Amino acid sequence: DAKTTQPTSMDCAEGRAANLPCNHSTISGNEYVYWYRQIHSQGPQYIIHGLKNNETNEMASLIITEDRKSSTLILPHATLRDTAVYYCIVAPGAGNMLTFGGGTRLMVKP
Amino acid sequence: GAVVSQHPSRVICKSGTSVKIECRSLDFQATTMFWYRQFPKQSLMLMATSNEGSKATYEQGVEKDKFLINHASLTLSTLTVTSAHPEDSSFYICSASHLAGGVEQFFGPGTRLTVL
Repeated sequence: DAKTTQPTSMDCAEGRAANLPCNHSTISGNEYVYWYRQIHSQGPQYIIHGLKNNETNEMASLIITEDRKSSTLILPHATLRDTAVYYCIVAPGAGNMLTFGGGTRLMVKP
Repeated sequence: GAVVSQHPSRVICKSGTSVKIECRSLDFQATTMFWYRQFPKQSLMLMATSNEGSKATYEQGVEKDKFLINHASLTLSTLTVTSAHPEDSSFYICSASHLAGGVEQFFGPGTRLTVL
């Protein structure tokens, strides 16, 4: 079973920041928080991951609370192409399977 | 980022035939690859973990004799759906992680299997 809880769907206006929350209250000390997204009929795309510290890359920022029980993925300037299902996953490091929950369906609207 | 390819991207076959799907890591070596399937409007479900040079580990409820997995090299894993039936129609996706890289996994583009 997935160890994360995400809202089923969210809307965001084009050009605005999209903030996607995720709860993972049972995360273990050795588990990372991963975010992936899946555009319709494609394989999941890696976005970002973190362990304790906040992370930023060219796609997004990841904010992890100090107790690590929740996190937020931030897409700073959402575009129509960011419309996808976003999955928050907690799992140990390399070589370990990922358990997908239902994800959040993000709809970016003009 | 690392690239994972799958072939074919789409296949239609008759009931009772076998279908082979290839998963390749194009620019990195992967000791472990994973196979998922996804039914319409559902999330990805892990089918099996494929380790180079050893037998695959199957998730509960996945028939190992029906879904044959071979991981003959550090860049190639194959999934063969034997005696396919319409209920096997699904989106099959593989993933791989670097042998000596970061913790993230990279996914292939998926293979759409339709069994008539």
